Amino acid sequence: EAQVTQNPRYLITVTGKKLTVTCSQNMNHEYMSWYRQDPGLGLRQIYYSMNVEVTDKGDVPEGYKVSRKEKRNFPLILESPSPNQTSLYFCASSWRISGTVPSPAFFGQGTRLTVV
Amino acid sequence: QKEVEQNSGPLSVPEGAIASLNCTYSDRGSQSFFWYRQYSGKSPELIMFIYSNGDKEDGRFTAQLNKASQYVSLLIRDSQPSDSATYLCAVNQAGTALIFGKGTTLSVSS
Repeated sequence: EAQVTQNPRYLITVTGKKLTVTCSQNMNHEYMSWYRQDPGLGLRQIYYSMNVEVTDKGDVPEGYKVSRKEKRNFPLILESPSPNQTSLYFCASSWRISGTVPSPAFFGQGTRLTVV
Repeated sequence: QKEVEQNSGPLSVPEGAIASLNCTYSDRGSQSFFWYRQYSGKSPELIMFIYSNGDKEDGRFTAQLNKASQYVSLLIRDSQPSDSATYLCAVNQAGTALIFGKGTTLSVSS
């Protein structure tokens, strides 16, 4: 089954304790991205990756890191989480964005993170 | 700043009615347009995409695109209570990331 898998689904952590949210896709997609979703603010892109070893900042990258060592995996790293990073996080993947071919994003199930 | 605007709602319609959801975008170079449905606490789910002016129908859903007016809409015919959700409009241009609107909340009453 084609899917994007995030883990964990729920996480409660304390301020300053490093954490990693994993994301894996089995569709051979080249493009992957991370979003956070907060009430009233919609989906905001944190980081994205066009391919292996190619990553770039989205709209709200502060406090986050990513890596893309393999095509299928795109982990999100919070080196020193703070309460303002409490949010619902989504990983998404899509085909290579080029030409005029529609390239919809497929989303993981989401990770609800609480930083206390 | 590329923007995608949607009315936040809530948009309330009775069961069986047509729900009309609207979206405008600022980037004239946008080429692909998507509608996602998101239930509370769940991930966005792709409903439809459109990239040519005009209408595209899929079951009870019709997407309408007018590039001259920079306007895309989603019509839901015979609305059902199960259609109650937040609908996200997203656009992109070749080689760029998807830009999402903040979503319109639809409530269908039985």
